[in-house]
Amino acid sequence: DIVMTQSPDSLAVSLGERATINCKSSQSVLYSSNNKNYLAWYQQKPGHPPKLLIYWASTRESGVPDRFSGSGSGTEFTLTISSLQAEDVALYYCQQYYSTPPWTFGQGTKVEIK
Amino acid sequence: EVQLVESGGGLVQPGGSLRLSCEASGFTVSSNYMSWVRQAPGKGLEWVSVIYSSGNTYYADSVKGRFTISRDNSKNTLYLQMNNLRAEDTAVYYCASRLPVDYWGQGTLVTVSS
Repeated sequence: DIVMTQSPDSLAVSLGERATINCKSSQSVLYSSNNKNYLAWYQQKPGHPPKLLIYWASTRESGVPDRFSGSGSGTEFTLTISSLQAEDVALYYCQQYYSTPPWTFGQGTKVEIK
Repeated sequence: EVQLVESGGGLVQPGGSLRLSCEASGFTVSSNYMSWVRQAPGKGLEWVSVIYSSGNTYYADSVKGRFTISRDNSKNTLYLQMNNLRAEDTAVYYCASRLPVDYWGQGTLVTVSS
């Protein structure tokens, strides 16, 4: 199974500052035949289900603010919130959906306001 | 508008069984990947099972042989039959559509305790 490891486990960022979350996979999730990284990012607020933010490692889901961006390829990926807003306080998860299941999640990163 | 509504959660003793349901509207269950994802209290997301449009099914090792995913196309409903439940199965269970998951239900809580 592919193991997903996020870092840090938590971070506190001032309003308007940049937040960066890393996600590393134990094996590549880049599919060579289509050059796509099978990596998604989700946001989860307390008491709510997760919400899809980014897929194919860097494609923003419809309606997601452009301050959220994804980057990386192969085994190392990053979610960046360019200017943290109060409503961005949440848990963030990466998930790989490469090949056959299990489609594993990272352990989550908690983003708070400093 | 797509809606996924789970039901069937509750309190069950170790070794007992439950069947979760996920009724979909605005969306055809049989035409898409449909998954169950769970979240233990205060913990991260864990992918549990998926049924493909073809009918193929996959399970996490932690539930293999105990849980069965299925669907009723006439009712546009997804199910998760859970047998031989353990304390570690205690979690909110989310119904999730497609991959990456763009629609989530609100979740149903399963508590396994004596």
